[in-house]
Amino acid sequence: DTAVSQTPKYLVTQMGNDKSIKCEQNLGHDTMYWYKQDSKKFLKIMFSYNNKELIINETVPNRFSPKSPDKAHLNLHINSLELGDSAVYFCASSQDGGGTQYFGPGTRLTVL
Amino acid sequence: EDQVTQSPEALRLQEGESSSLNCSYTVSGLRGLFWYRQDPGKGPEFLFTLYSAGEEKEKERLKATLTKKESFLHITAPKPEDSATYLCAVQAATNDYKLSFGAGTTVTVRA
Repeated sequence: DTAVSQTPKYLVTQMGNDKSIKCEQNLGHDTMYWYKQDSKKFLKIMFSYNNKELIINETVPNRFSPKSPDKAHLNLHINSLELGDSAVYFCASSQDGGGTQYFGPGTRLTVL
Repeated sequence: EDQVTQSPEALRLQEGESSSLNCSYTVSGLRGLFWYRQDPGKGPEFLFTLYSAGEEKEKERLKATLTKKESFLHITAPKPEDSATYLCAVQAATNDYKLSFGAGTTVTVRA
């Protein structure tokens, strides 16, 4: 049974389109995250949510809008996609904002 | 701002050839230092947490150590299945809910 799952695994789209990535965790954690991993493998946090409340927004463009309908889900909607948005996006979860985090398999976004 | 620097960027080892990875960090009060392993096409997988200087953790052929400025991940007698990218991250005492990652060290172990 997958602990942290993301859909879709691959996303190929044109510049200017809007897309969403979904994430679900079944670990019972209260904190969820979105990370971006660029082509150089550098993993950078984008958002942290605790009990559905936004805790961290790391100077991410307004085109990115996370939504947490409940503690087990954190979705990411991206408007007006740009070439520079191409990357792998990882969802993760932990308890109480701890650094022991469990990551999903990633969503590879390619913007053409 | 928290900074994490990992070296080397890449490491090629012969099976059985032990080596160490370095993680230097700057953080305003360390809550914890974390090591993760990432296989190609997969998400990072948690390995260790270290909280204070002098602490050590072991798991199979891996051993992580911590000083006030850096952490080492020692790989003893590596096997090809140890090939992966190893990521180091820090969490500041004043900044819950945020991990700052280094760029990683990609380890390749040849049989």
